[in-house]
Amino acid sequence: DAKTTQPNSMESNEEEPVHLPCNHSTISGTDYIHWYRQLPSQGPEYVIHGLTSNVNNRMASLAIAEDRKSSTLILHRATLRDAAVYYCILPVVKLTFGTGTRLTIIP
Amino acid sequence: SAVISQKPSRDICQRGTSLTIQCQVDSQVTMMFWYRQQPGQSLTLIATANQGSEATYESGFVIDKFPISRPNLTFSTLTVSNMSPEDSSIYLCSVDFRRDRTGTQYFGPGTRLTVL
Repeated sequence: DAKTTQPNSMESNEEEPVHLPCNHSTISGTDYIHWYRQLPSQGPEYVIHGLTSNVNNRMASLAIAEDRKSSTLILHRATLRDAAVYYCILPVVKLTFGTGTRLTIIP
Repeated sequence: SAVISQKPSRDICQRGTSLTIQCQVDSQVTMMFWYRQQPGQSLTLIATANQGSEATYESGFVIDKFPISRPNLTFSTLTVSNMSPEDSSIYLCSVDFRRDRTGTQYFGPGTRLTVL
């Protein structure tokens, strides 16, 4: 899998938007960009994925840079339940988990 | 998505013994995987469980230590053999339906293993 770089941790206030960045400068033209999150004491949970265009679903939005070398996961209104480790992954058949970004939500 | 269950959810085992972890999916899946998450660490892929053939192991993992079975398209087992305290981890299975070929995986809740 192509390498991704994420900040180790971020904090955000409750009910405010959160922008989680990911750099993937070695991405190939066919690599999908996936985001997963792992809530405390749970298995990872699929959040969203995209290829070139921005994507929205009920959980989040994914903004992909025009050159695809970076992307941003957007939580529009963070709640305490969004506190988790967020992983940005470019899978090729299998997933390779990095260290992710630990998101803390401040009440 | 799918309902993925694992048994047991947790266990405490003695050194030198073996534990078999089960992963059951409520629908047929193309690919199943086993991961390990050591305390405070990220997930590491152990192997791909292949239906009807031997599992494909990642570097650093061997069949003698982590034998895997996949008798059908909805079930797989991972055995942690001859356990030592270093095997204390969370073991997770995941599935890929390959419906859209984007690599999306869905994870089970995990099995928390403590080896004394």
